[in-house]
Amino acid sequence: DGGITQSPKYLFRKEGQNVTLSCEQNLNHDAMYWYRQDPGQGLRLIYYSQIVNDFQKGDIAEGYSVSREKKESFPLTVTSAQKNPTAFYLCASKRLDVDGYTFGSGTRLTVV
Amino acid sequence: QQQVKQSPQSLIVQKGGISIINCAYENTAFDYFPWYQQFPGKGPALLIAIRPDVSEKKEGRFTISFNKSAKQFSLHIMDSQPGDSATYFCAASNNYGQNFVFGPGTRLSVLP
Repeated sequence: DGGITQSPKYLFRKEGQNVTLSCEQNLNHDAMYWYRQDPGQGLRLIYYSQIVNDFQKGDIAEGYSVSREKKESFPLTVTSAQKNPTAFYLCASKRLDVDGYTFGSGTRLTVV
Repeated sequence: QQQVKQSPQSLIVQKGGISIINCAYENTAFDYFPWYQQFPGKGPALLIAIRPDVSEKKEGRFTISFNKSAKQFSLHIMDSQPGDSATYFCAASNNYGQNFVFGPGTRLSVLP
């Protein structure tokens, strides 16, 4: 079955550490997105990529980094520069010529 | 102009009742208006969507009403069931999602 796989489902990070969240899709979608979800604040766009080896900052890119070396993969690194990284992170993808996202099941990151 | 406003923030409905969630937008360039349903710990899933060339779209118990002149759209859930208890996000986009904005979400609880 086609879909988006995010891993791990839960992730714990010590302060000062970088962590990488995985997002893989087998839908042959061109565009991929990372959103952050905090309670009561909806979804905020971190980064997006419409083509391999190219990506753009979203509304809250500070403290995050991404890469897009393969069409299927769009990993997100939460760096130590992100002051409040505890949140639910969602990856999404879509075809460029179609409306509507397909979302992964999310990764819950907690700083301990 | 990029915001999508959503109300209410939370909603409690008795089983069998009608749930109504409202959204408003400002950017007249938006041409796609989806609703996403999210269960706790899961990613959002596309529920129903509408384009501005129609005023209403119905899929089963879910109906979108769209008022282009008022720049408002709403989700109606008929015969609400406890299984409908989730967070609902409206969104708006144009250019095949090149510009995609989410509302802050409505937490719906349907009491048995």
